[in-house]
Amino acid sequence: GQQVMQIPQYQHVQEGEDFTTYCNSSTTLSNIQWYKQRPGGHPVFLIQLVKSGEVKKQKRLTFQFGEAKKNSSLHITATQTTDVGTYFCAGGSGNTPLVFGKGTRLSVIA
Amino acid sequence: NAGVTQTPKFRVLKTGQSMTLLCAQDMNHEYMYWYRQDPGMGLRLIHYSVGEGTTAKGEVPDGYNVSRLKKQNFLLGLESAAPSQTSVYFCASSRDNPDTQYFGPGTRLLVL
Repeated sequence: GQQVMQIPQYQHVQEGEDFTTYCNSSTTLSNIQWYKQRPGGHPVFLIQLVKSGEVKKQKRLTFQFGEAKKNSSLHITATQTTDVGTYFCAGGSGNTPLVFGKGTRLSVIA
Repeated sequence: NAGVTQTPKFRVLKTGQSMTLLCAQDMNHEYMYWYRQDPGMGLRLIHYSVGEGTTAKGEVPDGYNVSRLKKQNFLLGLESAAPSQTSVYFCASSRDNPDTQYFGPGTRLLVL
């Protein structure tokens, strides 16, 4: 079945440094979604990408969808303590439910 | 608009006991999902429903049953709890698939 791999598993950064998490699917995706889960909280939707090569920005966050629609990345510029949490990608394909990656846990040292 | 709510928030069970987790959504969503979240394992889909009266197995369905008698409710049952079912359980709903999933606050379950 479809698998979604996400790296790294953990990332510790100094406040102000950049951060990137990568997502790779074993199959071609119809779309990819990104979610953020704060410590002790629940996953919250950030964005959805559907087009090959698509790039979307939300303030300091930049999301990319690969040309082959099998990989994606989330880049945060100049991290802040409010960015702390676990970031999940989730791949959609056909009528099957989204498959979530295992997430990247980001900690920011002030 | 409460979104997605889950009951209870926390529960302790002894091995072999049964319980039902309730998920309710007020967004008139067709799709509902149950996930479990364990450290380092991400979100794993247990069961899901594509509409009232329907259910389907996800990635890790063994030991769980579900029912969707009403569109707004999705119940997850554990007939005979095992320590391996200690986890945080999240319910989610979406209008369509694939579409944005809205998650409930979670139920923390400890099986002794």
